[in-house]
Amino acid sequence: ILNVEQSPQSLHVQEGDSTNFTCSFPSSNFYALHWYRWETAKSPEALFVMTLNGDEKKKGRISATLNTKEGYSYLYIKGSQPEDSATYLCAASGGSNYKLTFGKGTLLTVNP
Amino acid sequence: ETGVTQTPRHLVMGMTNKKSLKCEQHLGHNAMYWYKQSAKKPLELMFVYNFKEQTENNSVPSRFSPECPNSSHLFLHLHTLQPEDSALYLCASSGQAINQPQHFGDGTRLSIL
Repeated sequence: ILNVEQSPQSLHVQEGDSTNFTCSFPSSNFYALHWYRWETAKSPEALFVMTLNGDEKKKGRISATLNTKEGYSYLYIKGSQPEDSATYLCAASGGSNYKLTFGKGTLLTVNP
Repeated sequence: ETGVTQTPRHLVMGMTNKKSLKCEQHLGHNAMYWYKQSAKKPLELMFVYNFKEQTENNSVPSRFSPECPNSSHLFLHLHTLQPEDSALYLCASSGQAINQPQHFGDGTRLSIL
C-alpha cells in the first residue's frame, strides 16, 4: 500500500495571491501521479496525470510538476480566484496502473 | 456532466435492509471503480473491475458485494451494513492507458441507522 501525503491540510489565501501545495509519495515502483479538484457537492474533476520525471503540465492558471526520483509533486495556482476554492487531491499508482492511492487533500479557500 | 451517473444520490437504510447502488458510464471505458469517502479520511479504493472482471478487492467486508454485468454498468449491493459504513460512495471509470485520468460520478451519500 502506498503512503501519499499532502500538505498543507488547508489553506486560506486572498484573491489574486499565488499559492502551491505539495504531494509526496514513495519513489520506488512508481507508475503515475494524478491531481484532482473536488468542489463541494460535485464530483472530483481530473486536472493532470503525470508519469515521467520532470513532467510539467499546465491548464490555465494551474500547473503541476513531478519529481519521481525524490517522490513529490507540486501544484501551483497563479492569481487565485474565489472559484478556485475546492479540495485538491493527489493520487499515486505504483504496481498497478488501475489502483490509485489518494492523499487526504488540501482544502483551498480563496477569499474575495 | 462527467459522463458517470450514480443513483441514488442519497440513501438512508436500516442495518437489516438490502439495497443497491448503481453506476453507469457512457465514456467507452473498460475499467470501473468503487471508492468510499469517510469523514476526515482519504478516498479509499474498494473494488476495481477491468473488462467486467474484478481485478481488485481491497479487503472489503462481504456485506459489500459488487457486480459488473457489462463495461458500462457497475453495482454495489449492500446487506446488513453497520453504522460505520455511513459514508460517500463514489464510482469512477477510466481508459486503459497508464496516463488516463479517472472520471467520477457525484456519489451516493449513504446513512445507516
